Amino acid sequence: EAGVAQSPRYKIIEKRQSVAFWCNPISGHATLYWYQQILGQGPKLLIQFQNNGVVDDSQLPKDRFSAERLKGVDSTLKIQPAKLEDSAVYLCASSLQGASYNEQFFGPGTRLTVL
Amino acid sequence: DAKTTQPTSMDCAEGRAANLPCNHSTISGNEYVYWYRQIHSQGPQYIIHGLKNNETNEMASLIITEDRKSSTLILPHATLRDTAVYYCIVRVEDYGQNFVFGPGTRLSVLP
Repeated sequence: EAGVAQSPRYKIIEKRQSVAFWCNPISGHATLYWYQQILGQGPKLLIQFQNNGVVDDSQLPKDRFSAERLKGVDSTLKIQPAKLEDSAVYLCASSLQGASYNEQFFGPGTRLTVL
Repeated sequence: DAKTTQPTSMDCAEGRAANLPCNHSTISGNEYVYWYRQIHSQGPQYIIHGLKNNETNEMASLIITEDRKSSTLILPHATLRDTAVYYCIVRVEDYGQNFVFGPGTRLSVLP
């Protein structure tokens, strides 16, 4: 079974620039998550989709971050404009809808460096 | 905020059992204990979860105290590949409830 795919794996930008990350979840997984992981900390949920609808985006900084999952499969996360504190690994995860324990499968992440 | 406390780091000799503790003194009756781990440069990986009974799978064992205020993840024969950050999370088994990760325990398996 193919895992969660993310691209790019690494990105370096200057502050105030824009950046976009892409995620392809495991086939058949209805729920998709984006997490931000700052160095030395655990992942923090940014947004959760179920199919193409947003379930939880309470921790997404909506003034600069946006995410979409138009066809209920792939998703993109965008930052515009980026700040230095956005330097982090951005993780995408997916899970089966209705799974009894909702195990999340994570991708390898995109490491963003903002200079 | 995470509802669990874990030691910042631990060492374990290769081939020995690694016992990773977790305190969750405010756990509710319907909250499960989950363990994930994150190997360097990878995303977190599910290990095991339980409610009140001890659980075992091919990766690890989970021992939950009778009062459910603490638990221990046991890797019976640690290998170098088990070097990772281990996260203990408590969560209601509800589809809408998300995982709140704390800083975890950095386990170093030493040769």
